[in-house]
Amino acid sequence: DAKTTQPTSMDCAEGRAANLPCNHSTISGNEYVYWYRQIHSQGPQYIIHGLKNNETNEMASLIITEDRKSSTLILPHATLRDTAVYYCIVRVEGNTGKLIFGQGTTLQVKP
Amino acid sequence: DSGVTQTPKHLITATGQRVTLRCSPRSGDLSVYWYQQSLDQGLQFLIQYYNGEERAKGNILERFSAQQFPDLHSELNLSSLELGDSALYFCASSKGLAEINEQFFGPGTRLTVL
Repeated sequence: DAKTTQPTSMDCAEGRAANLPCNHSTISGNEYVYWYRQIHSQGPQYIIHGLKNNETNEMASLIITEDRKSSTLILPHATLRDTAVYYCIVRVEGNTGKLIFGQGTTLQVKP
Repeated sequence: DSGVTQTPKHLITATGQRVTLRCSPRSGDLSVYWYQQSLDQGLQFLIQYYNGEERAKGNILERFSAQQFPDLHSELNLSSLELGDSALYFCASSKGLAEINEQFFGPGTRLTVL
C-alpha cells in the first residue's frame, strides 16, 4: 500500500471549514483513499473514502486531485467535537482489508 | 456505538502473565481485525480473521495469538507479558474479506502491564 504524508497538527476555528491535506504521491491506479478519525482514545471512526472522483457524505467531503497524488478532507463547519486525530490511508481491494495507519494529523478546533 | 463490543474495558496484570481479550463483531460481519495502539508505535495492524480463518498477519509477536470462533467472535491471547505490551487493543469488523468499505472499531481494551 502506498505511503501517505500528513501535517502533524492543524488548528481550525469553530464554525469554519477544516481542510486536511494528505500526500500520496506513490498511489497506484487501484488504490483507494480512506479517511478515519480517532477522538481521544476511542476506536477509530470511518469518515469517507474515494478512488478518483470527489466524494461527499454527511460527515465530510473528499477532494482528490486529478493525478491522484494528493487529497483533501473537508469538514465544512467544524465543531469542538471534531477535535481528533485524522488518518489518511490508501489501500487496494485485494486479499485483505487491513488498514495501515500513519501518524495522522491532530486537528484542534478552537472556540 | 459501532456495534462492535470488546471486553474487558481495562485490564491490569503483571509481567509474565497471560490475558485474553474478547471481541464480538457487528451482526453479519465476517471479518475481524485486531490492532494495537501504543504511545511509541501508533496504531498497528496485528491480524485479520475472516469466517474463522486467519487471512492476514501484521507485526504480531509470537507471544500473541488469536482465533475466531464459529459464532464469529474473536479472542486475542497475549502471553509472557512484558511492560512494553501495555497498550490499547482495538478490534474492528467488516462485512467481507477485502472489499472497499468501512471497518467498524470497538471501544478498545486498555492493557496495563506492571
